[in-house]
Amino acid sequence: GDSVTQMEGPVTLSEEAFLTINCTYTATGYPSLFWYVQYPGEGLQLLLKATKADDKGSNKGFEATYRKETTSFHLEKGSVQVSDSAVYFCALSVTYGQNFVFGPGTRLSVLP
Amino acid sequence: EAQVTQNPRYLITVTGKKLTVTCSQNMNHEYMSWYRQDPGLGLRQIYYSMNVEVTDKGDVPEGYKVSRKEKRNFPLILESPSPNQTSLYFCASSLHGAGTEAFFGQGTRLTVV
Repeated sequence: GDSVTQMEGPVTLSEEAFLTINCTYTATGYPSLFWYVQYPGEGLQLLLKATKADDKGSNKGFEATYRKETTSFHLEKGSVQVSDSAVYFCALSVTYGQNFVFGPGTRLSVLP
Repeated sequence: EAQVTQNPRYLITVTGKKLTVTCSQNMNHEYMSWYRQDPGLGLRQIYYSMNVEVTDKGDVPEGYKVSRKEKRNFPLILESPSPNQTSLYFCASSLHGAGTEAFFGQGTRLTVV
């Protein structure tokens, strides 16, 4: 079945460090790929998305490129801030029925 | 404001006492779903609905019921809650299915003692 694998963390970085969170997927069709972010005590919010191969999603300084050849959608940010501390979920959507499949989430802590 | 509203946010109940968690969206979305979030397991889908009166099981449906009588509402029903249903629950909606953004509620933290 469809699945998403991502590094679970926790990841701890100093402010202004470079961030990479790896995400790979397995899907039978042609999925859309998403990164969601969950701040403490809140629901999930869409961070960025890409709907086809080679698309780059970007938002708030975060970027991810849909790589069909490596079935990956790694999240990057050049300079993290304390306010980026959250849990990040990689997800795919391919079948109309079950909609989203989420990875386990990666907790990011950014220290001042 | 576009939103998904869940109630209650926090609930403590006893084993076997029926409860309902409500979910409502104001975006006229066709697709709605329920997830539970547990440490180390991420989000797992409980049930989903592709439209009014159309519901189907997700990955972990045992012990739960849902209904979709109106497009905007998708309540989650626990007929006889057990301690292993202690979890953080999220409702989500999206315009259609695959490829469209999902909007999430704030979550309901349920404790069954």
